[in-house]
Amino acid sequence: AQSVAQPEDQVNVAEGNPLTVKCTYSVSGNPYLFWYVQYPNRGLQFLLKYITGDNLVKGSYGFEAEFNKSQTSFHLKKPSALVSDSALYFCAVRDDSNGGYNKLIFGAGTRLAVHP
Amino acid sequence: EAGVTQFPSHSVIEKGQTVTLRCDPISGHDNLYWYRRVMGKEIKFLLHFVKESKQDESGMPNNRFLAERTGGTYSTLKVQPAELEDSGVYFCASSQAKGPNTEAFFGQGTRLTVV
Repeated sequence: AQSVAQPEDQVNVAEGNPLTVKCTYSVSGNPYLFWYVQYPNRGLQFLLKYITGDNLVKGSYGFEAEFNKSQTSFHLKKPSALVSDSALYFCAVRDDSNGGYNKLIFGAGTRLAVHP
Repeated sequence: EAGVTQFPSHSVIEKGQTVTLRCDPISGHDNLYWYRRVMGKEIKFLLHFVKESKQDESGMPNNRFLAERTGGTYSTLKVQPAELEDSGVYFCASSQAKGPNTEAFFGQGTRLTVV
């Protein structure tokens, strides 16, 4: 069965420091991976996706994610964190059953807190 | 361009009552998805419409939940009768999804509290 794991409930980072939010996945075929962010009182916003190609994917707001097939990971990174990055981050993998391109399996979410 | 719109943003109802959630997708998006997040856990798929047809409803928890998308535009999700465990945030998403290289756009969610 396909699944996604986000091992950290919360990540705390000081402003200006690099941040990493971890995600590992389990799929039977080629993975299609996504990161979404939810700011307070807002909906889920798409950050980036990996479909194929370069292992380093660049997305919105300066975020990037590194696809590592051998470690089955897709960690979200940013070189320098901002207080405004504080939010809830979700990793997701496409569920290929029934042909829905956006039928996603989400992780439980990681709360990122960036301190001044 | 307007995004995915959901309302109400919040709903508090008593156990046994009926609630209807509405989702207006981005104009022109044939694909509409419902998800929910219960008690801070994973966001879970409920069902998928392609235009007015249910493509996949494998995630619907039970027959107390009824989703419709008449005319292939907006969608409603009715819970009748509501139970305590139905509390959570219900998200709607839409996409054009002409191929695999696509992403879904989500609404802000409806927070449902059953007391």
